[in-house]
Amino acid sequence: NAGVTQTPKFQVLKTGQSMTLQCAQDMNHEYMSWYRQDPGMGLRLIHYSVGAGITDQGEVPNGYNVSRSTTEDFPLRLLSAAPSQTSVYFCASSSPEIYEQYFGPGTRLTVT
Amino acid sequence: DQQVKQNSPSLSVQEGRISILNCDYTNSMFDYFLWYKKYPAEGPTFLISISSIKDKNEDGRFTVFLNKSAKHLSLHIVPSQPGDSAVYFCAASDPGSSNTGKLIFGQGTTLQVKP
Repeated sequence: NAGVTQTPKFQVLKTGQSMTLQCAQDMNHEYMSWYRQDPGMGLRLIHYSVGAGITDQGEVPNGYNVSRSTTEDFPLRLLSAAPSQTSVYFCASSSPEIYEQYFGPGTRLTVT
Repeated sequence: DQQVKQNSPSLSVQEGRISILNCDYTNSMFDYFLWYKKYPAEGPTFLISISSIKDKNEDGRFTVFLNKSAKHLSLHIVPSQPGDSAVYFCAASDPGSSNTGKLIFGQGTTLQVKP
C-alpha cells in the first residue's frame, strides 16, 4: 500500500495563478481532509469529505475549492493564488471506525 | 479562538530523561484525543490516543494522561531518545453525533532530545 500520496512535493506560483494539489489514498478510506500548516498555527482544517460526492468546509476554507468524485481522490484547487496561501499542505484520510488519520508527505507551496 | 492549545513551543531534554508535553483544550465535549509526531519534510504520523472515558493510555515508552476536570492532557516519553526529536501535535476529535473525521490540532511543540 502506498497509503496517502500527494503531488507535487513543491510548487511556486505567482499571485493570481491557479493550480490543483492532488491527493490520493489506496486504503479505501471514506474520510479525507486537507490541512495547512503554518508556523505557530499548527494544522488547520481547510476542507473535508466524508464520502464521494460529500464535502464540507473546515476552519480556513476561503480561497480553496474541493470535490470528491471517487473514494480514492480528493484534489484541492486554488482558484487565484495569494501570498497568504504560502504554506505546507497536508492531505489525510481515515475511516469511520477509527479516529486516527493517515497523512500524506505534504506539498510545500510558495506564492510570490 | 484556539480550542486546542500547546503553550510550550519547544522543549529540550537530555537523553534518557523524561519528556513531558502538555496540551490544554477548551471544549468539554471533545471525546477523543490524539498525539501526532512530525519530522521535517514528512507528514504527521499517529503516535498514541486516548478516549475521554479513560485517564491514561500507555504504549511502550509513550503514555498519555487525561485530566478532564482540568481540560488537560499530557504526553510522557520515558526514556527519551534522540530519535524522538520532532514536532509533537496534540489533536482532539471534533465533537458531534459521530466521528466525522475532523480533528482540531494544537500549535505543536518541538522536542529536542540531546545525546
